[in-house]
Amino acid sequence: KAGVTQTPRYLIKTRGQQVTLSCSPISGHRSVSWYQQTPGQGLQFLFEYFSETQRNKGNFPGRFSGRQFSNSRSEMNVSTLELGDSALYLCASRAQPSGGAHEQYFGPGTRLTVT
Amino acid sequence: QQQVKQSPQSLIVQKGGISIINCAYENTAFDYFPWYQQFPGKGPALLIAIRPDVSEKKEGRFTISFNKSAKQFSLHIMDSQPGDSATYFCAASIRNAGNMLTFGGGTRLMVKP
Repeated sequence: KAGVTQTPRYLIKTRGQQVTLSCSPISGHRSVSWYQQTPGQGLQFLFEYFSETQRNKGNFPGRFSGRQFSNSRSEMNVSTLELGDSALYLCASRAQPSGGAHEQYFGPGTRLTVT
Repeated sequence: QQQVKQSPQSLIVQKGGISIINCAYENTAFDYFPWYQQFPGKGPALLIAIRPDVSEKKEGRFTISFNKSAKQFSLHIMDSQPGDSATYFCAASIRNAGNMLTFGGGTRLMVKP
């Protein structure tokens, strides 16, 4: 079974632009979460989706948004990019949003660099 | 606010030695404590997890020790191998409360041959 797929793997954007990242969960998984990983702040939870509905959101500004499609694929968008948004953005999927949160499988991430 | 504190930030161990990484948490609502291993260019991968009603869990060379009263837990890697060189993250979550994992800051482990 294929793992979590994230595209693109690398991205360079300019401050003020917006960006959209894509995530395809493991086949059959319906719950998707996004995390931001930076050297300074570590791994931080952004938001999670299940059945096209946002179920939980981390402490990030409104410039960070996401959505989930009927096929469980998810996208996240960052508008008005700032230098501090440079990070590895990780997507994780799990079959159902119940049970232990550790039952998530992470993708390889999208490395976003803002210049 | 960092709810899970991890130490040390980096660790160098000789091959065959024991690697020990410690974590402390603040939120007593946490009831699941996983550890993740991350190699460069990869996402974190679940290594082992423990619930607070268990004081120790062992899987192969990896052992989690849990001290509920002290709100601390640790990862022990026995017989450390160069292939174990990676970044390790402890995390905490609240069961059935969604996907949110609260991660520690990470420990970069280097096992010297």
